Amino acid sequence: DAKTTQPNSMESNEEEPVHLPCNHSTISGTDYIHWYRQLPSQGPEYVIHGLTSNVNNRMASLAIAEDRKSSTLILHRATLRDAAVYYCILRDPSIGNEKLTFGTGTRLTIIP
Amino acid sequence: DAGVIQSPRHEVTEMGQEVTLRCKPISGHDYLFWYRQTMMRGLELLIYFNNNVPIDDSGMPEDRFSAKMPNASFSTLKIQPSEPRDSAVYFCASSLGRVHSGNTIYFGEGSWLTVV
Repeated sequence: DAKTTQPNSMESNEEEPVHLPCNHSTISGTDYIHWYRQLPSQGPEYVIHGLTSNVNNRMASLAIAEDRKSSTLILHRATLRDAAVYYCILRDPSIGNEKLTFGTGTRLTIIP
Repeated sequence: DAGVIQSPRHEVTEMGQEVTLRCKPISGHDYLFWYRQTMMRGLELLIYFNNNVPIDDSGMPEDRFSAKMPNASFSTLKIQPSEPRDSAVYFCASSLGRVHSGNTIYFGEGSWLTVV
């Protein structure tokens, strides 16, 4: 499986933008980059995903480096509700294998 | 849509007892996943199904664990006999289509299992 590397934890002030980095230097050409987050006492929830181009949705933006070896999840205006563990995940490249393998993620703390 | 529904939400059982966790995936989703989360090991994929057929059970820890999907709207994860080290949060999730194509996985709220 291709590996991802994320900081263990980050802090941000409420109502400020947050940039969550992820390194994936061994990514293959067909791997999608998925971001999920897990709020306290809840199951993980989808945030965003992309392949090559930058992506935007109502929750966040995903900026993917030109060489695809890193990506950044951007929360444009953090709220207290965004405090969660954020997982950057690469899809297992094995043909027919649908696993999403979660790492340890980044624990994001929002400071009021 | 009601989302992925799991039951029970919380269970406390004694060592040696059988535990059955249940899951109803989102209607129309053809992939179903069982994950386990512990502080020590994080989120681990136990098994997943496609169109009710088990595809990969390499994450199932041992023979005490078994999972079935008798139809498209129901799956069970059974632990028999249970042990204290099985204490964890068990998540069921489902997906429409293949994950590697970019389709997202939707998780339930989890079943919190404590084995004493």
